[in-house]
Amino acid sequence: KAGVTQTPRYLIKTRGQQVTLSCSPISGHRSVSWYQQTPGQGLQFLFEYFSETQRNKGNFPGRFSGRQFSNSRSEMNVSTLELGDSALYLCASSLGTSSNTGELFFGEGSRLTVL
Amino acid sequence: AQSVAQPEDQVNVAEGNPLTVKCTYSVSGNPYLFWYVQYPNRGLQFLLKYITGDNLVKGSYGFEAEFNKSQTSFHLKKPSALVSDSALYFCAVRDYNQGGKLIFGQGTELSVKP
Repeated sequence: KAGVTQTPRYLIKTRGQQVTLSCSPISGHRSVSWYQQTPGQGLQFLFEYFSETQRNKGNFPGRFSGRQFSNSRSEMNVSTLELGDSALYLCASSLGTSSNTGELFFGEGSRLTVL
Repeated sequence: AQSVAQPEDQVNVAEGNPLTVKCTYSVSGNPYLFWYVQYPNRGLQFLLKYITGDNLVKGSYGFEAEFNKSQTSFHLKKPSALVSDSALYFCAVRDYNQGGKLIFGQGTELSVKP
């Protein structure tokens, strides 16, 4: 079956703009998590959604937000972009919530460059 | 707080030799540990996990990992390295004190030379 799909794969924005990234989980998976990957900070947890509800949130400013739709697809939004937001944004899906012991399945990521 | 550490930024191995990528953890309670691999410009791929049971866990692509409770380690191993194993490897632990999110190590760059 199809894996986790993230769009767009690459995008370039300028400071102050906003961006929306999309993630379609594996069919049947109801949990979607988002991670930010940068060379300096490594992989940092952004948030997790399950059944359209945010279940967990990382230590990111309010400019970072997300949502999940009834078909489990998820979007994340970053407003008022800063240079430091340049990163690879990874989406991961799983059958249950993060409170279980299952592994996460990651998408290819969306690489955001902020100029 | 739960954490994992990967003490080596880079590991260099000759093709055909055994490889080890190190990971140590610090958790309260039972550790749920994972290994992921990332190829250039790609997402993370799941390799294996330890939840409970046998200390030697077998995973994808011939990789295995040994869970050692006394040494709080979860090292990734492969008996014979391939050039195609060259990639970035991440150890991770579930942090159930913070909703079960994955906490990742900083990653280890594995380079396998012919």
